[in-house]
Amino acid sequence: SQELEQSPQSLIVQEGKNLTINCTSSKTLYGLYWYKQKYGEGLIFLMMLQKGGEEKSHEKITAKLDEKKQQSSLHITASQPSHAGIYLCGADKGGSEKLVFGKGTKLTVNP
Amino acid sequence: DAGVIQSPRHEVTEMGQEVTLRCKPISGHDYLFWYRQTMMRGLELLIYFNNNVPIDDSGMPEDRFSAKMPNASFSTLKIQPSEPRDSAVYFCASTNGGETQYFGPGTRLLVL
Repeated sequence: SQELEQSPQSLIVQEGKNLTINCTSSKTLYGLYWYKQKYGEGLIFLMMLQKGGEEKSHEKITAKLDEKKQQSSLHITASQPSHAGIYLCGADKGGSEKLVFGKGTKLTVNP
Repeated sequence: DAGVIQSPRHEVTEMGQEVTLRCKPISGHDYLFWYRQTMMRGLELLIYFNNNVPIDDSGMPEDRFSAKMPNASFSTLKIQPSEPRDSAVYFCASTNGGETQYFGPGTRLLVL
């Protein structure tokens, strides 16, 4: 079955610093979703990537899909405390509405 | 739209008791998903429905778990009897198909 590995598992940065979170799949990626979760809350959709080489941005968050490497990266520029939370990547299994998720990356941004 | 609604938000029960979790999907969405999140296993899909019909229940842990969707605006996940290892956050999500899944706030279940 498809597995998603996220790295790092946790990350602590100083406000204003840039950071990158990676998500690597054991199988071909048909669609890759990034979500953010705050403690005690549900998952908030950030972005969806479908095509190799695709790149999307929302405010200071940019996500890329490298289809050849079966990997996606999420980059945050000039991090702020509001960016803190758990970032999860989810993958479309192809031909199904099912998503499988990585275990998440916990981001802490110190003021 | 109010988004996906789940109730209760928190549930504390004793081992052996029946637990029922409820979900109201976003109006017009024809797919509904039930997930379980734990520290050890992360976010796991339990079951999903399309047009109120269960499509894939391969993630349901065992016979103690059951899910129903009697109509397009309501679904339940029942655990009977509950066990301490069922303690987790249970999420419901819905989508129109081919689009992103929208998640509810979750139900935090603690089985003592």
